[in-house]
Amino acid sequence: ETGVTQSPTHLIKTRGQQVTLRCSSQSGHNTVSWYQQALGQGPQFIFQYYREEENGRGNFPPRFSGLQFPNYSSELNVNALELDDSALYLCASSGWTGEKSSYNEQFFGPGTRLTVL
Amino acid sequence: QKEVEQNSGPLSVPEGAIASLNCTYSDRGSQSFFWYRQYSGKSPELIMSIYSNGDKEDGRFTAQLNKASQYVSLLIRDSQPSDSATYLCAAQGAYSSASKIIFGSGTRLSIRP
Repeated sequence: ETGVTQSPTHLIKTRGQQVTLRCSSQSGHNTVSWYQQALGQGPQFIFQYYREEENGRGNFPPRFSGLQFPNYSSELNVNALELDDSALYLCASSGWTGEKSSYNEQFFGPGTRLTVL
Repeated sequence: QKEVEQNSGPLSVPEGAIASLNCTYSDRGSQSFFWYRQYSGKSPELIMSIYSNGDKEDGRFTAQLNKASQYVSLLIRDSQPSDSATYLCAAQGAYSSASKIIFGSGTRLSIRP
């Protein structure tokens, strides 16, 4: 079973630039959620994708956008980067695998550390 | 604003003792609850999920849920130095809110030898 993977690991951008972060879901999972985690805080929900459609969104502006592909991998795009966008970006996948774990359980990837200068 | 509240800690517990972590949530519609462990510089790792009132045990971990009081707790028995981490409590709504998991800010746990 392959876990959730994310790329890149670290990224440094300047204010105003655009960034794309990538996530591959765990084998058998069809749902991907994205979170932003600032230092010392819990993860904040950005949005979720299910079968290539956005399936819920948190309190983030439209410059945060996403995609999900037919193989259930996903991208998070952030336009017009601001200093406050510096954070750990986490991708989590979920889905029914027939095992004891519930469909609702989300498993996180290692994250992408974004620094905006 | 629907919230999950945790004491930020640090909570210091001697090795071998029971660590008790607590969490309250504001959305009465929440149906699913999770505890994640996060080591410094790493991503959260799911350690327990609980959906019904009462206790759920898994090894040294016991999760407790009381929906009437909107309260979730995690007990760690026989605490080990490797349990030192930040513990995140999370709640998930039902139906239209089912996609969103709301996390608390976490409780830092330190196990002292």
